[in-house]
Amino acid sequence: GAVVSQHPSWVICKSGTSVKIECRSLDFQATTMFWYRQFPKQSLMLMATSNEGSKATYEQGVEKDKFLINHASLTLSTLTVTSAHPEDSSFYICSAPWKAGVGYTFGSGTRLTVV
Amino acid sequence: AQSVTQLGSHVSVSEGALVLLRCNYSSSVPPYLFWYVQYPNKGLQLLLKYTSAATLVKGINGFEAEFKKSETSFHLTKPSAHMSDAAEYFCAVRTPGTASKLTFGTGTRLQVTL
Repeated sequence: GAVVSQHPSWVICKSGTSVKIECRSLDFQATTMFWYRQFPKQSLMLMATSNEGSKATYEQGVEKDKFLINHASLTLSTLTVTSAHPEDSSFYICSAPWKAGVGYTFGSGTRLTVV
Repeated sequence: AQSVTQLGSHVSVSEGALVLLRCNYSSSVPPYLFWYVQYPNKGLQLLLKYTSAATLVKGINGFEAEFKKSETSFHLTKPSAHMSDAAEYFCAVRTPGTASKLTFGTGTRLQVTL
């Protein structure tokens, strides 16, 4: 139980274009979704927290206008990287808490490469 | 604020040898602690978690960890390493009662040699 499906698993886009990453909770309702960014050989850094039906909360230093997060339903949260640049190339992972935060389930990640 | 420190960014062991990955935490209240494993270009898989029950926690793939409050530690061990254990391991802490955020350590890359 508690599976989060993340798509796409990898994407290559041209500089200046936008890319949308989706995370769907398959067998539970994800009222909260965490979005992380991971640079090579580094830890996961929390970018933002999305809550269904409300605005996302961004961590300090994360550009809200560049990383648009939408959590319109209890089973879908999306991250859109707008006007992507090579420095946005990274591994993005979503995660949803369940069982009142005792458990967390992670998506399989999206490798974004901006050329 | 809670935090975790993983000592050793890279650990190398021989196949069949003991695996010990260190994690120390800082939290003002009793924490929930987690160990995750990550294979290249994959998401995180939960190995085990401590949520204030038994201090010795057994997880998947033969891993276990012991919560030691006096040492503020939650080290991960496995008696006998297997080649398939080679991966990145992350310790994480969540402080009960907060907005369920997880704070991750910097990770330890485990290498298993023949």
